Amino acid sequence: QKEVEQNSGPLSVPEGAIASLNCTYSDRGSQSFFWYRQYSGKSPELIMFIYSNGDKEDGRFTAQLNKASQYVSLLIRDSQPSDSATYLCAVRGYGQNFVFGPGTRLSVLP
Amino acid sequence: NAGVTQTPKFRILKIGQSMTLQCTQDMNHNYMYWYRQDPGMGLKLIYYSVGAGITDKGEVPNGYNVSRSTTEDFPLRLELAAPSQTSVYFCASRLQDGQPQHFGDGTRLSIL
Repeated sequence: QKEVEQNSGPLSVPEGAIASLNCTYSDRGSQSFFWYRQYSGKSPELIMFIYSNGDKEDGRFTAQLNKASQYVSLLIRDSQPSDSATYLCAVRGYGQNFVFGPGTRLSVLP
Repeated sequence: NAGVTQTPKFRILKIGQSMTLQCTQDMNHNYMYWYRQDPGMGLKLIYYSVGAGITDKGEVPNGYNVSRSTTEDFPLRLELAAPSQTSVYFCASRLQDGQPQHFGDGTRLSIL
């Protein structure tokens, strides 16, 4: 059974701080990695995706991938109250097998 | 551009009833997916399709069926509704390998 694990939280950070969200996965053959944000009662929306080891930056968001450690993270700089949501890590293994983690609930306190 | 459209948004079914959840996309995407999301959980893949006429099972296909007669439409069929199928169902699509998925707004289904 392919698994993706995330700390369920809630993770609370003050406004303006850096939020760090972590994800580990079990399938060493995983090829691509995605971070989605999901507000309560809404559908997931893509924040970033990363395929290669290292860092990928997009505005306030940085995704970090370490395939040797089977670890992917998302950093949110200058966190805003509007960033308060559940963050889903998704991993694509062989074929169309996308596996989602249970999500980490982030709360940014004004 | 409407993106991925799901209907209905809400539905209540009785045990044993059947229904079809509709999903259509207007982005000419080849790949389409059906997921379910239970409270506090991640999304579980039910079925997917890589193109018209081609479908395959995901992680949790039991109790569901799909078809893909056109590129745009990917309906999900529940034949004999059971309480365990109470969930939020999301349809997603993507253009090709290497591209991320785009999700519809979801269908909230309760089976009583």
